Amino acid sequence: EDKVVQSPLSLVVHEGDTVTLNCSYEVTNFRSLLWYKQEKKAPTFLFMLTSSGIEKKSGRLSSILDKKELFSILNITATQTGDSAVYLCAVVAGTASKLTFGTGTRLQVTL
Amino acid sequence: DSGVTQTPKHLITATGQRVTLRCSPRSGDLSVYWYQQSLDQGLQFLIQYYNGEERAKGNILERFSAQQFPDLHSELNLSSLELGDSALYFCASSVLVGGETQYFGPGTRLLVL
Repeated sequence: EDKVVQSPLSLVVHEGDTVTLNCSYEVTNFRSLLWYKQEKKAPTFLFMLTSSGIEKKSGRLSSILDKKELFSILNITATQTGDSAVYLCAVVAGTASKLTFGTGTRLQVTL
Repeated sequence: DSGVTQTPKHLITATGQRVTLRCSPRSGDLSVYWYQQSLDQGLQFLIQYYNGEERAKGNILERFSAQQFPDLHSELNLSSLELGDSALYFCASSVLVGGETQYFGPGTRLLVL
């Protein structure tokens, strides 16, 4: 059974800090890994990663995938209170198109 | 706004009842996915439809069923509802069948009393 594990479960930081969120996976026939941000309701798409070692970047957020070690990290620099959310990692594997999600990391950014 | 719409936003019903949740995918997307998010289980895949046909099934209960219509909107039917079915139900859509990005709708919050 496909498994996605995120750490830490929860994190509280001060505005301006840099954070690193972790996602490891055990799946058969990995295809892609996606990061989503969930605030009040719907998960909103951040990145999709399919190749090892290539960094995806959007503003203060960046992510990288290591297919050999089976993990990904999501970095957020110069955090703002608006970054407070649950960050979800999901993997697509095998012939199925479904997303298998981790339990998420709850990030709280305080003033 | 992802472009995926879901109705209703909230639903309160009693045990044993049946409800229908509706989803309209983004314009041009052919695949629709349904997910359930509960506090203890996280986000769980239920079922996928592609261009009107069932494509993949996850941990969907027999009391639940779905379909995708010719105009590509989808409905998720939940019957003989139990307290444990209370959850957020999300619909997501993508252009093609698999591997590419899925965009999520705002969800329907179901409360079974």
